[in-house]
Order: sequence, then structure tokens, then C-alpha cells
Amino acid sequence: DGGITQSPKYLFRKEGQNVTLSCEQNLNHDAMYWYRQDPGQGLRLIYYSQIVNDFQKGDIAEGYSVSREKKESFPLTVTSAQKNPTAFYLCASERGQGFSPLHFGNGTRLTVT
Amino acid sequence: QKEVEQDPGPLSVPEGAIVSLNCTYSNSAFQYFMWYRQYSRKGPELLMYTYSSGNKEDGRFTAQVDKSSKYISLFIRDSQPSDSATYLCAMSAGPGDSNYQLIWGAGTKLIIKP
Repeated sequence: DGGITQSPKYLFRKEGQNVTLSCEQNLNHDAMYWYRQDPGQGLRLIYYSQIVNDFQKGDIAEGYSVSREKKESFPLTVTSAQKNPTAFYLCASERGQGFSPLHFGNGTRLTVT
Repeated sequence: QKEVEQDPGPLSVPEGAIVSLNCTYSNSAFQYFMWYRQYSRKGPELLMYTYSSGNKEDGRFTAQVDKSSKYISLFIRDSQPSDSATYLCAMSAGPGDSNYQLIWGAGTKLIIKP
């Protein structure tokens, strides 16, 4: 079955450490996204990529970094510069041609203490 | 004031009831409206997509847009326990192929009691 795989499901880190969240898709989608979901707030866009080797900052990119070296992979690094990193992180993809729905992974819950 | 307002709930109703979920928005340029459903500890999935005003029906689900009031609704008929989830509204000014421009509501948690 095609889909988006995010790993790990739960991640615990100490403050001051960088951490990388994995996102892999086998849908052959061109565009990929990273969102952050916090209680009581709508999804907030961190980064998105419409083609390989190119990505754009979203609304809350500070303290995060991404790469898009392969079409199927879009890892997100949460750096120590992110002031409040504990959150639920969602990766999504879409065809990127005309309107198409976002397909989401099942998220990674990151806890930083 | 948030661009998109959505009551977080929880909204608890008995099985078989008609459910009404709503979002209000402030940006009159919004013309693409979506409802996503998110089960606990899962990613959201698209439920309904509407362009501009009017109604759209899909099985037990009806999406309604009232641009004059800046108000969108999702109705669920004959609600089932499997409909228990968080419902997220999302919207944008477009064009339609710009998911990166979506503004999301905080989501309403819906509980259908058997």
C-alpha cells in the first residue's frame, strides 16, 4: 500500500540536542510538507518542498532545518535553537499538480526535557 | 484574533444524531475550503473539499460555505461511533494548488456515544 511513513512514533530528547525526524513516501508525490500540531492551535507549516533539492520556509521555520535529496524523503531536524520543540510533528505529501489533497503520515510525538 | 476560529469541543452526541461542526474566518479572500478528519494518534485525512460558496454532499457528510457570513459548516447525518475524531477545517485564498497557503482551524473533537 502507498503511504507516508514517519518514524519514530515517539521521540524523547534532552534540551540542547538536535534531533532528526524521518519522513518517507512511496506515493511518487512531488510536494512534501512538515507541520507542527499543538493543542488548541491549527496546524502550522514549518517547511515545504515542491521538487527535489528545493524547499521553502513556512510560517514557523526558525529552529528547524530540512533537506530534500530524494523525491521520497524529507527529513526534519529540530535544532537546539528551537525554543519550544515539544510537539506533535506531521509530514504530508501531495501530487503537486493542480489541487490535490494532502496525504499525512501518522506523526512523531517529540518530547524534549 | 485568529484568521480561522473553530470551537475545540469536545462535542458529545448520541449515535444517530445530526452533527454540525463549524468554522468562522476573517479573510474574505478565502475561497477554497476543506474539512479533514483526524483520528486519535493519526494524521489527518481529507473528508470534503469545496470551492467558493454553496453545498457539497458526499454520503452522510455535507459541507456548506456561507461566504457572506464567513462561516463554513460540516454536517454529519446518522452519526456513528466511528465518526468520533477531531475535525479540522482548512482554507486558503488559492489558487487551488497551493496547499502551502492553507490556514487551519484548531479542530473540534467529536464524540459519538453508542
